[in-house]
Formats: sequence, structure tokens, C-alpha cells
Amino acid sequence: EAGVTQFPSHSVIEKGQTVTLRCDPISGHDNLYWYRRVMGKEIKFLLHFVKESKQDESGMPNNRFLAERTGGTYSTLKVQPAELEDSGVYFCASSQEEGQGVLEKLFFGSGTQLSVL
Amino acid sequence: AQSVTQLDSQVPVFEEAPVELRCNYSSSVSVYLFWYVQYPNQGLQLLLKYLSGSTLVKGINGFEAEFNKSQTSFHLRKPSVHISDTAEYFCAVSRGSARQLTFGSGTQLTVLP
Repeated sequence: EAGVTQFPSHSVIEKGQTVTLRCDPISGHDNLYWYRRVMGKEIKFLLHFVKESKQDESGMPNNRFLAERTGGTYSTLKVQPAELEDSGVYFCASSQEEGQGVLEKLFFGSGTQLSVL
Repeated sequence: AQSVTQLDSQVPVFEEAPVELRCNYSSSVSVYLFWYVQYPNQGLQLLLKYLSGSTLVKGINGFEAEFNKSQTSFHLRKPSVHISDTAEYFCAVSRGSARQLTFGSGTQLTVLP
């Protein structure tokens, strides 16, 4: 069984450009999360999808970030325009469980390292 | 709001020595507690979790952690480390009703030969 897959593994862009990160969750997992780690600090929650619906987007930093999950399968996270402070590692995670169990079996991808110059 | 503090950002230790990685949390409600490990170029992998019941939790790769409610701590321990344990370790909490994790800033464990 394939794990959570993220593309690209690394992205280097200039300030003001647009970048789109992609996450393919484990097949059948309705729950999909995006997290971000900036400059070696703590990993912070960005948002949570259940199927194609945004369950919780309270962690999205501002309106330059747009997450989508068309058809409840893969998800994209677009940053437009990118700023220097957006640099960091963006993690995706998925879970098949429901309710409180969703966090008990959470599978993470290896992340996308984003560098904004 | 809840927060997680990992008191040591770097922990070097010699092979076969014991190690303890410290984690404290702040929350006014009951929480679930987790430890994750990230090996180089890999995603986060769940080491162990505390949901309820026994306060001593055993995980994979010989790690264990003890939930201490009075001290709001969830320290990770291993009696004898191996070179392969070199990785970054993250403590995380969630409130009982929440569907998201709050992570600490991570502890880099480096096992020296």
C-alpha cells in the first residue's frame, strides 16, 4: 500500500511567484491535513479536509494560501504570491478513522521543502 | 489554548546509553498525547500515544513514555539507544474534542558511536 505522497519534495521560488504543492493521501482516507514547519520551529496545523469539505481551516495564515481537494482525493496547497516567511516544510497527513480516532492513526508524508528567495 | 514545550532542542548521547527526551504541555482540559519521530528524508512516524488508562505507554523501537498529569509532562525514554535512533522527535497533544495536533518544536537526538 502506497503511503502519503507529496510533490515536489523541494521547491525554490522567488518572492512574488506562485507555488502549488500537491498531496496524495492513502487511498480511501477521507481525512486530509496540511501542517507547516517554519525555520525549525514547531509544526503548525494549517487545515483539515474531510473528503472534499474543509472541516477546519483555522490555521491558514492568510488569504495568500488556498487549499483545495477536488473530488475528495488529492489536495493542492497554493501560495500566491509567495513571501519570504512562507519558507518551510509543508507536511500532509491522512487518516481513515472517524471522530476522535482520526488522530490515533495519522499517516504523514515526507513533506515539501519550500524555499522563497 | 494549548502549547507544547520540548525543553531540549539537541540531545547528543553515546550508543547504548539511556536517553530521556522531555515534553511538557499546557492545557486546562484532558488531552491525548503523542510522540512522533522523523528520520532523515522521511515523514513523521508515530512512536507511541497516550489516550487513557495506564500512564506508562510502550511504543515501537523500544521507546516508552510516562504521562504525569500533576506535572503535565509526557517524557520519552529508551534504556539503551542505537545509532539508528538518530532522528528528530516531536511531542504533540490534542484536546479530547479536537481533530488537530499541537506540536512541540522538536528534539534532535544524535546517537554517537
